[in-house]
Amino acid sequence: GAGVSQSPRYKVAKRGQDVALRCDPISGHVSLFWYQQALGQGPEFLTYFQNEAQLDKSGLPSDRFFAERPEGSVSTLKIQRTQQEDSAVYLCASSLAVHRVYNSPLHFGNGTRLTVT
Amino acid sequence: AQSVTQLGSHVSVSEGALVLLRCNYSSSVPPYLFWYVQYPNQGLQLLLKYTSAATLVKGINGFEAEFKKSETSFHLTKPSAHMSDAAEYFCAVRPAGNKLTFGGGTRVLVKP
Repeated sequence: GAGVSQSPRYKVAKRGQDVALRCDPISGHVSLFWYQQALGQGPEFLTYFQNEAQLDKSGLPSDRFFAERPEGSVSTLKIQRTQQEDSAVYLCASSLAVHRVYNSPLHFGNGTRLTVT
Repeated sequence: AQSVTQLGSHVSVSEGALVLLRCNYSSSVPPYLFWYVQYPNQGLQLLLKYTSAATLVKGINGFEAEFKKSETSFHLTKPSAHMSDAAEYFCAVRPAGNKLTFGGGTRVLVKP
């Protein structure tokens, strides 16, 4: 399809395990965002890429969280040594616009639901 | 910092009744404002956006929102609720810096 694709849809990890979440944005979209959505909450910003450059990572909650987008398309969010508080839905979004086009809408994927046991 | 506040985490309406979801923003400059809808186990879908072209914005599925600068509000309405409108709705603001900031969401329940 033409939408943002995320995999896996569901991930169960034991506390202490590392996980990697993948995002395939819409082809040609310059901007890519990661959000974390805890149960019953609105999405919270994690990080932003413009092409391969990570321009904002101010929302990453700890140094256990790492994101990359090496070729400016697919992105991976990695969480090391997962903790129970990391349980959430991780949403990826992409946008056609370059930086500073604030009215450009974001297109969201269906998310990855991470459960840490 | 820019933020949005959604009044009421849950709203229950009867089918055919008016839907009104409240959103207030804090901003020192006119922001770009959005409403998104999220169906169970899905991502967010854009309903409508305000970009200063017109204060009354029409979106998909019969929804509309009115920007009121004097009240710093961007409330979402639909004249007649349908069962398919049951979902969670998020107001969001996107100021300088490209970061889309969401409210806490309002879950809509539609009663037959």
